[in-house]
Amino acid sequence: SQQGEEDPQALSIQEGENATMNCSYKTSINNLQWYRQNSGRGLVHLILIRSNEREKHSGRLRVTLDTSKKSSSLLITASRAADTASYFCATEETGANNLFFGTGTRLTVIP
Amino acid sequence: DGGITQSPKYLFRKEGQNVTLSCEQNLNHDAMYWYRQDPGQGLRLIYYSQIVNDFQKGDIAEGYSVSREKKESFPLTVTSAQKNPTAFYLCASSMRIPSSGNTIYFGEGSWLTVV
Repeated sequence: SQQGEEDPQALSIQEGENATMNCSYKTSINNLQWYRQNSGRGLVHLILIRSNEREKHSGRLRVTLDTSKKSSSLLITASRAADTASYFCATEETGANNLFFGTGTRLTVIP
Repeated sequence: DGGITQSPKYLFRKEGQNVTLSCEQNLNHDAMYWYRQDPGQGLRLIYYSQIVNDFQKGDIAEGYSVSREKKESFPLTVTSAQKNPTAFYLCASSMRIPSSGNTIYFGEGSWLTVV
């Protein structure tokens, strides 16, 4: 499988700051999705960006996609303590039947 | 409420035992999945099913078995052949196999520990 890789593995910031996490992947994709996981819970879908899109917004989330560099970034603006969670990117590769999840970035927002 | 229900939340298995994790969804989704997550790691696909009475192996199917007799249900059996089964198991579903950007909905997970 072609799992994506998130960077950094862990990130700690103060409440109110912005958090940026990156995802790199290896093959051609149809779309890329970001999910959030609170500790010991299931994953929750955040946002999807298609391969022909370069940027997408949803509330305090901003996602970019650079298919030439095979990378994506997730920006969370004005972070809150409740944003503390692990964030995963997942790629739908061209011709594949399922999503490939990255290894995740563990975000801690300090009140 | 629509969603995915996994049970039990915590399960302990003795060496040599088979155990079955339950997964039920009332979202009317065709596709269902089982993932394994080890501490601090990403998700690895065990099995997936596109439709009733059909399922496919994922990346780490050895030591696991599934069935899909009903659209709503996709139980996972962890057999004694799985040498290192202690992990967090996540069931998920989507309208169909991801193509055209279907998102995946997850259950709350089941913790399996070998004792």
